[in-house]
Amino acid sequence: DAGVIQSPRHEVTEMGQEVTLRCKPISGHNSLFWYRQTMMRGLELLIYFNNNVPIDDSGMPEDRFSAKMPNASFSTLKIQPSEPRDSAVYFCASSPATGRQNTGELFFGEGSRLTVL
Amino acid sequence: DAKTTQPNSMESNEEEPVHLPCNHSTISGTDYIHWYRQLPSQGPEYVIHGLTSNVNNRMASLAIAEDRKSSTLILHRATLRDAAVYYCILRSYGQNFVFGPGTRLSVLP
Repeated sequence: DAGVIQSPRHEVTEMGQEVTLRCKPISGHNSLFWYRQTMMRGLELLIYFNNNVPIDDSGMPEDRFSAKMPNASFSTLKIQPSEPRDSAVYFCASSPATGRQNTGELFFGEGSRLTVL
Repeated sequence: DAKTTQPNSMESNEEEPVHLPCNHSTISGTDYIHWYRQLPSQGPEYVIHGLTSNVNNRMASLAIAEDRKSSTLILHRATLRDAAVYYCILRSYGQNFVFGPGTRLSVLP
């Protein structure tokens, strides 16, 4: 298995531009998570999906951020318009079905490093 | 969310055992104790998890106190590749993983 695949690995853009980050979860996993990591705030959960449905988006910073999961093998995180404070590493993670005996281990991608100038 | 407390940083010598502590005095009966680690420039990766009994796998051992208010991740022989940030997380079924600042482990050659 190729693991969780994220693209792009690096993105440099100017303030005001639209940014789209992409994620392909591990096949068969039914939960998908978007995290953001900065030096100041550490690793923060932005949103998570279960069976392609957004379950908890309380971590999404503001309306400039949106996430979609049109099917089980693809998700996007979009920032429009981008601002310098959005500069961070964005991680996507997927998890297999969680039952009471399964703690739902997270499998992370390598991240997308975003720099907004 | 359940809270954990870890030292900010620790140092170890290569090929020596490392004991990484985690305090979780408010743990509930349904909270599993998870450990993840994040190597430089990579996403976090799973290390080990347990509920009440001590656990061993190929990466590490997890020792859980009898009252479950603390736990220790044990790396039996640290290598340079084990230098990472180690996160101790409590999670019950249906909850999200909440990552704290973790412990930054340095391994000295």
